[in-house]
Amino acid sequence: EVQLVESGGGLVQPGGSLRLSCAASGFTFSSYWMSWVRQAPGKGLEWVANIKQDGSEKYYVDSVKGRFTISRDNAKNSLYLQMNSLRAEDTAVYYCATSEDGWYFDLWGRGTLVTVSS
Amino acid sequence: SYELTQPPSVSVSPGQTARITCSGDALPKQYAYWYQQKPGQAPVLVIYKDSERPSGIPERFSGSSSGTTVTLTISGVQAEDEADYYCQSADSTGRVFGGGTKLTVL
Repeated sequence: EVQLVESGGGLVQPGGSLRLSCAASGFTFSSYWMSWVRQAPGKGLEWVANIKQDGSEKYYVDSVKGRFTISRDNAKNSLYLQMNSLRAEDTAVYYCATSEDGWYFDLWGRGTLVTVSS
Repeated sequence: SYELTQPPSVSVSPGQTARITCSGDALPKQYAYWYQQKPGQAPVLVIYKDSERPSGIPERFSGSSSGTTVTLTISGVQAEDEADYYCQSADSTGRVFGGGTKLTVL
């Protein structure tokens, strides 16, 4: 079965760190661009970051540059998002998402909730 | 970065046609994609490359493009189509979503 499963979300204090993981199965993970997309409670979708198949290119939305780092381990079919210096406005459901050509998203995980609060 | 603008809400009666627009300066140069999201669920791709429909998406969903505006059209709207709809585009460095449109089926 083709699927993405996120994990690692939880409650963290402002200024803290969290590492999200996304386990991929059922497709050739190493051939796909991968992205993180988030959705704050009651708000719209926001693309956060993406990473090329071999990890050589990474791009971020301006609001997370310098704080978040996207990475992948093709041997483990896994995608990661290291989140540092977390702020209340980072509170959201974080989705792992992809597609064969990487320009859009036709495969999504169920998401993991990150809550930044004291 | 660039922006995509959608109306916050659209309302239609069952059986009517719903049209949801998305505007952005980059759209003449980049494809647009559309997603449906129901409460508590992950988004689902309903249109890709402006007007292509993925397998499994009903034929009543269609997409079109004209200049800086793309349009998602749902013909013969059904109650189950009530959801939030998002447009999305991309360039070589990132991806961007519109603010979303809540479709209400009266």
